[in-house]
Amino acid sequence: GIQVEQSPPDLILQEGANSTLRCNFSDSVNNLQWFHQNPWGQLINLFYIPSGTKQNGRLSATTVATERYSLLYISSSQTTDSGVYFCAPGDYKLSFGAGTTVTVRA
Amino acid sequence: DSGVTQTPKHLITATGQRVTLRCSPRSGDLSVYWYQQSLDQGLQFLIQYYNGEERAKGNILERFSAQQFPDLHSELNLSSLELGDSALYFCASSVTSAVTDTQYFGPGTRLTVL
Repeated sequence: GIQVEQSPPDLILQEGANSTLRCNFSDSVNNLQWFHQNPWGQLINLFYIPSGTKQNGRLSATTVATERYSLLYISSSQTTDSGVYFCAPGDYKLSFGAGTTVTVRA
Repeated sequence: DSGVTQTPKHLITATGQRVTLRCSPRSGDLSVYWYQQSLDQGLQFLIQYYNGEERAKGNILERFSAQQFPDLHSELNLSSLELGDSALYFCASSVTSAVTDTQYFGPGTRLTVL
């Protein structure tokens, strides 16, 4: 299966700070999604981004498919951004990384 | 709210028992996927159904089975439960079975096996 490496594993931010999360994957893929798992366990879709760049409010993502990596940018972080961020490349079957645990402090 | 519903939200049972988890996909979605999130294995794909037919299998144990009904809801059956089956079980749905479809995840069912 596809190997997925996410970095950093943990990130502590002061409210208002910017950050970049990275996802490296081992094979070419047709599908790549970013998720935020909130403290209640719910997985929230952030982006469907097998290639290119997308923006949604304070979040943006870039996937460079030829180099097999994706980046998630969080700008002006808020305490509600806390949780675990997962990158999930794949096709019909998404392969999840171990996630980046983000803690935003007020 | 993704539009995918799962019941029950929590389930506590004993080893050796059998449980059924239920999932209703988003309106219009034909594909349903099941994933398991456990502390030691992380999030992993179990199985996919498309319009009532099994489409793909992942790391699903033989003690587990699933089906998708004509109204497109799906059930995941877990039998002879072991302590290690304690996990968060997610259902996801997508419009078709195309690999480029976005998968939308439900809120999950938290299973605790005592």
